[in-house]
Amino acid sequence: AQSVTQLGSHVSVSEGALVLLRCNYSSSVPPYLFWYVQYPNQGLQLLLKYTTGATLVKGINGFEAEFKKSETSFHLTKPSAHMSDAAEYFCAVSDPQGAQKLVFGQGTRLTINP
Amino acid sequence: DAGITQSPRHKVTETGTPVTLRCHQTENHRYMYWYRQDPGHGLRLIHYSYGVKDTDKGEVSDGYSVSRSKTEDFLLTLESATSSQTSVYFCAISATASYVGYTFGSGTRLTVV
Repeated sequence: AQSVTQLGSHVSVSEGALVLLRCNYSSSVPPYLFWYVQYPNQGLQLLLKYTTGATLVKGINGFEAEFKKSETSFHLTKPSAHMSDAAEYFCAVSDPQGAQKLVFGQGTRLTINP
Repeated sequence: DAGITQSPRHKVTETGTPVTLRCHQTENHRYMYWYRQDPGHGLRLIHYSYGVKDTDKGEVSDGYSVSRSKTEDFLLTLESATSSQTSVYFCAISATASYVGYTFGSGTRLTVV
């Protein structure tokens, strides 16, 4: 069975600082990996995804993530945080050969300090 | 989100009553999903559908049933609501290719009193 662990339920950074949100996964087959963002009282929006090919993927709003198979990780980063980045972020894993069910991590709430 | 709507957006109901949540899509996507979101648990899959009249259980399906009689509609029913089912419910849709990811609805906030 697939699973996702997000390290840190809350992360706080200063405006302009590096954002690093950690995600580790468990999967018996090469997975598809996703990061979603949720702003208050809204649904989830796809930030970026890894399927095959280049292991460094770029998403919207200046975010990127790197798939590291040896570390079973897919950490999300942004070089310089902006106040508008404050939200909850979810990492998810999908089995490419299954019924496309996404398994989500517990979420990380990102706070940006002025 | 364009192409997927959930109704109602908010609902308060009493323990023991049945409740039906509706998810409607205009994208003609094959796959539809119901998740619940609770603090500390992320999103957990309740039920999903891979076609009209084709549904299957997710990890937290007890106390819930679903129906999909048309491609565009996926209904989630709480057969007899309990306080533990107070949550935010999200519907999601997906096209055939699994690498595309999901498109989510705006959610339904359900409170069982």
